[in-house]
Amino acid sequence: NAGVMQNPRHLVRRRGQEARLRCSPMKGHSHVYWYRQLPEEGLKFMVYLQKENIIDESGMPKERFSAEFPKEGPSILRIQQVVRGDSAAYFCASSPPDRGIYEQYFGPGTRLTVT
Amino acid sequence: DQQVKQNSPSLSVQEGRISILNCDYTNSMFDYFLWYKKYPAEGPTFLISISSIKDKNEDGRFTVFLNKSAKHLSLHIVPSQPGDSAVYFCLYNQGGKLIFGQGTELSVKP
Repeated sequence: NAGVMQNPRHLVRRRGQEARLRCSPMKGHSHVYWYRQLPEEGLKFMVYLQKENIIDESGMPKERFSAEFPKEGPSILRIQQVVRGDSAAYFCASSPPDRGIYEQYFGPGTRLTVT
Repeated sequence: DQQVKQNSPSLSVQEGRISILNCDYTNSMFDYFLWYKKYPAEGPTFLISISSIKDKNEDGRFTVFLNKSAKHLSLHIVPSQPGDSAVYFCLYNQGGKLIFGQGTELSVKP
């Protein structure tokens, strides 16, 4: 059973470009969570999704950021018009429907660098 | 507004000795805590959890203690091994939203 997959592992974008980060949850997991780790900080919750539904987006910046988890395919975190402050490690986690309030399983992260 | 606080950014311990990592929280309604471990360039991995109906949970070399009156948790690792060197996060799970502490970097020296 493969773990949570994230790609790309490293992404470099110039200011103003778009960044798309992908997350494939573990098999059988229908809940996906995105977290961001800024340099020298702990991880911060961004968004919680089920298939085709956003459950909690209280940690998402109000502008430029969006997330989706379609019926088919990976979850996508999209950042439009990136700025230097978006440089961070972005982690995706997944859980089965009845276990998300307990533990979550994390992917290896995507390291975004904005130049 | 840091709801889960790990005040020690780093800890160094000799192999074979006990490692004690501490965590404080602010909300007395919090009822389920977790510890995750993170190696460089990897995602965090679940280590151990505790519910507020208990004051202790043990799994092999890892034990978590919960003091509800003091709003304090601690993770004990005994005996510590060099492979335990990692960043340890104390977390609260708020309905699927994990609230992370800042992390404590543990270094276990041979």
